[in-house]
Amino acid sequence: AQSVTQLGSHVSVSEGALVLLRCNYSSSVPPYLFWYVQYPNQGLQLLLKYTTGATLVKGINGFEAEFKKSETSFHLTKPSAHMSDAAEYFCAVTLLMDSNYQLIWGAGTKLIIKP
Amino acid sequence: NAGVTQTPKFQVLKTGQSMTLQCAQDMNHEYMSWYRQDPGMGLRLIHYSVGAGITDQGEVPNGYNVSRSTTEDFPLRLLSAAPSQTSVYFCASSYPGGDNEQFFGPGTRLTVL
Repeated sequence: AQSVTQLGSHVSVSEGALVLLRCNYSSSVPPYLFWYVQYPNQGLQLLLKYTTGATLVKGINGFEAEFKKSETSFHLTKPSAHMSDAAEYFCAVTLLMDSNYQLIWGAGTKLIIKP
Repeated sequence: NAGVTQTPKFQVLKTGQSMTLQCAQDMNHEYMSWYRQDPGMGLRLIHYSVGAGITDQGEVPNGYNVSRSTTEDFPLRLLSAAPSQTSVYFCASSYPGGDNEQFFGPGTRLTVL
């Protein structure tokens, strides 16, 4: 079965430090890749997505992610963490299977920002 | 645009009761879906619809029914609530195609006693 793995259910960084949230997927076919963010007591919203073209994708709030096909990864980064980045982040992958698109979600990573 | 709206925001049920969670979108999206979110398990797809009159089961459909009589509305019915259905429920909508963003509602927090 296809899967999406987010390494670390919780990641803690200091304010101003680099944020790195990892996402790996299992698929031999090129997928569409997404990162969503969920702030406390809210629904999810799109941070960024990769469909085609440039493999380094920039999103909202200073986040970016790079699609590395050879590593089947789509890690999310931000150079300098801010307190407002504290949230849960979900990686998702869309695969075309039997003529239907199937969206597969990672389990989520909760980002904790230390002052 | 209101986007995706869900009602109620909170609900407490007793085991065996039934209820309907409402979801509506005003973006003319063909694709709508229901997820449940449980700690450490991410989002799990309950049911989805690719257009009015068409619904299909997702990963965890047991105990839930859906219908899609209009493009805008996609209600989720709990037939006989069980404590295992305590969760946060999200409705989402999008245009068809795997590269399109899903728009989420604010969620319904359901507790079954």
